[in-house]
Amino acid sequence: AQSVTQLDSQVPVFEEAPVELRCNYSSSVSVYLFWYVQYPNQGLQLLLKYLSGSTLVKGINGFEAEFNKSQTSFHLRKPSVHISDTAEYFCAVSDLRDTGNQFYFGTGTSLTVIP
Amino acid sequence: NAGVTQTPKFRVLKTGQSMTLLCAQDMNHEYMYWYRQDPGMGLRLIHYSVGEGTTAKGEVPDGYNVSRLKKQNFLLGLESAAPSQTSVYFCASRTTSGGTGELFFGEGSRLTVL
Repeated sequence: AQSVTQLDSQVPVFEEAPVELRCNYSSSVSVYLFWYVQYPNQGLQLLLKYLSGSTLVKGINGFEAEFNKSQTSFHLRKPSVHISDTAEYFCAVSDLRDTGNQFYFGTGTSLTVIP
Repeated sequence: NAGVTQTPKFRVLKTGQSMTLLCAQDMNHEYMYWYRQDPGMGLRLIHYSVGEGTTAKGEVPDGYNVSRLKKQNFLLGLESAAPSQTSVYFCASRTTSGGTGELFFGEGSRLTVL
């Protein structure tokens, strides 16, 4: 089974500043990588995903992430955050070796954008 | 376009009571999942189903049962609720068996067990 580590549980950042949310996982063999966002009292929405090809993936709302196989990382970045980016962010790994192609989630990073 | 719908959205139970959470998806997805979300623990998989009539255990299955009698519905049951089952429950579905399809989530069901 995979393990997913989100190194920062809370990240405060000023509006218009850049942000990086870190994610590491245990194995790069046969995996797909995802970032989800959860706004208060809502379900999770897909931000972006890496399946293959270019290691730099662009998603919605100006977010991007870079797949680094050697470091088993998939960090999420945004060059300039807005107040509306305040939310919980989850990194997830889909392991193709598992029956049901299970998703393994990190514990989440709470991003707070300060005006 | 409803997507994934969970009912009820809120429920308060007393210890020992039973209840069923219903998940319905209108996207003709094969795979369906039940997760629970607890503070500081992310999402943990309870049970999942790879097709109509099939179910399998996830990471934290104890105290829960599931059924998938119809492709579009996935039910999560608590036979004898315990305070440790106080949580937010999310249903999700996905479209492909190759791992490329992302999960689509419902809005969650908040359960409190007193």
